[in-house]
Amino acid sequence: GAGVSQSPSNKVTEKGKDVELRCDPISGHTALYWYRQSLGQGLEFLIYFQGNSAPDKSGLPSDRFSAERTGGSVSTLTIQRTQQEDSAVYLCASSFNPGQGFRGYTFGSGTRLTVV
Amino acid sequence: GQQLNQSPQSMFIQEGEDVSMNCTSSSIFNTWLWYKQEPGEGPVLLIALYKAGELTSNGRLTAQFGITRKDSFLNISASIPSDVGIYFCAGPGTASKLTFGTGTRLQVTL
Repeated sequence: GAGVSQSPSNKVTEKGKDVELRCDPISGHTALYWYRQSLGQGLEFLIYFQGNSAPDKSGLPSDRFSAERTGGSVSTLTIQRTQQEDSAVYLCASSFNPGQGFRGYTFGSGTRLTVV
Repeated sequence: GQQLNQSPQSMFIQEGEDVSMNCTSSSIFNTWLWYKQEPGEGPVLLIALYKAGELTSNGRLTAQFGITRKDSFLNISASIPSDVGIYFCAGPGTASKLTFGTGTRLQVTL
């Protein structure tokens, strides 16, 4: 598509439930990133996919968080047994291969997750 | 790890005023990026800088890549209400992940 698409745009879930957040990157972008933005805070790196390489999971805050990217395109971020501190905006971004003249990311509009 | 500190944290200015904000890093960057985030949206790239000393403009926005390669500056001239938002600096950290600054929240009053 023309931009990075994320769904749902808003999600309210009960504490303890699992949630799945979806990201459709820009067609042809080989790199995909997930960031988390807590209320009034900056962007916290979560995970990075580049082509067929093993993902960089160094930013995932706990083993309740996981992500996959199927076919080098769509990515799903899964949070198991959600906690209230997981409430945040989850942003997805994509870019061309950063090693080929990095030009920055294009972000989606985010998924606002509220755990009640 | 790398840290990016932005200042000021927030600014309240009147329409028509010029704005200056800066970003400093604990380590050298080869690229500096400036993003703007409006409410309910993801950050949007405003300006990218690739060379120490580089000065680049995008309309009323001008950004500079500091010669030490540890800082960058963003100026907005003649601010208007639609300039409201959070401005983030960013630089590529390890393995091409962007490290983002803490953000400068800009409010413009009429």
